[in-house]
Amino acid sequence: DGGITQSPKYLFRKEGQNVTLSCEQNLNHDAMYWYRQDPGQGLRLIYYSQIVNDFQKGDIAEGYSVSREKKESFPLTVTSAQKNPTAFYLCASTRASRGRFYYEQYFGPGTRLTVT
Amino acid sequence: AQSVTQLGSHVSVSERALVLLRCNYSSSVPPYLFWYVQYPNQGLQLLLKYTTGATLVKGINGFEAEFKKSETSFHLTKPSAHMSDAAEYFCAVSGLSQAGTALIFGKGTTLSVSS
Repeated sequence: DGGITQSPKYLFRKEGQNVTLSCEQNLNHDAMYWYRQDPGQGLRLIYYSQIVNDFQKGDIAEGYSVSREKKESFPLTVTSAQKNPTAFYLCASTRASRGRFYYEQYFGPGTRLTVT
Repeated sequence: AQSVTQLGSHVSVSERALVLLRCNYSSSVPPYLFWYVQYPNQGLQLLLKYTTGATLVKGINGFEAEFKKSETSFHLTKPSAHMSDAAEYFCAVSGLSQAGTALIFGKGTTLSVSS
């Protein structure tokens, strides 16, 4: 079955440590995204990538970093510079857009990060 | 800039009652609109989408939504609620080209269904 996997499901870290969240997709999608979800705030875009070896900052990129070395993988690193890293993190992917035609995004199951 | 407003962060209905979740959008270009559902501690699942053409869109699990350009709305409805419909629902609009195909999401509406 095609889909998006995120691991681990739950992650616990001490303050001051960097942590990397995994996102892998086998849908052959070109574009991938990272969102952060906090209660009552909806989803906010952290980073996105439309092609391998290229990525752009979203609305809340400070304290995060990404890489896109392979089409199927888009890991997110939460650095110690992120002031409030405890949240639910969602990875998504979609086909490359054609002109103004937008395809729906497919989401992974999410990783809940708790930093103490 | 584009934006989405979901009216009501929490909606409660009885089983078999009508479900109405409200979504208004702002867009300077013809929008593509989406409704997603999220169950606790899970990812988002697409319920339905509007791109072009018919303004009444049918989705999974008996949900439908109507695109009303004059009202800039895309409200989600279901004639008869089921206990399994209890979840969080997100409305989203297609983003601007600077964010590629990124979506802009509303803050979500939690639907509770009582027996």
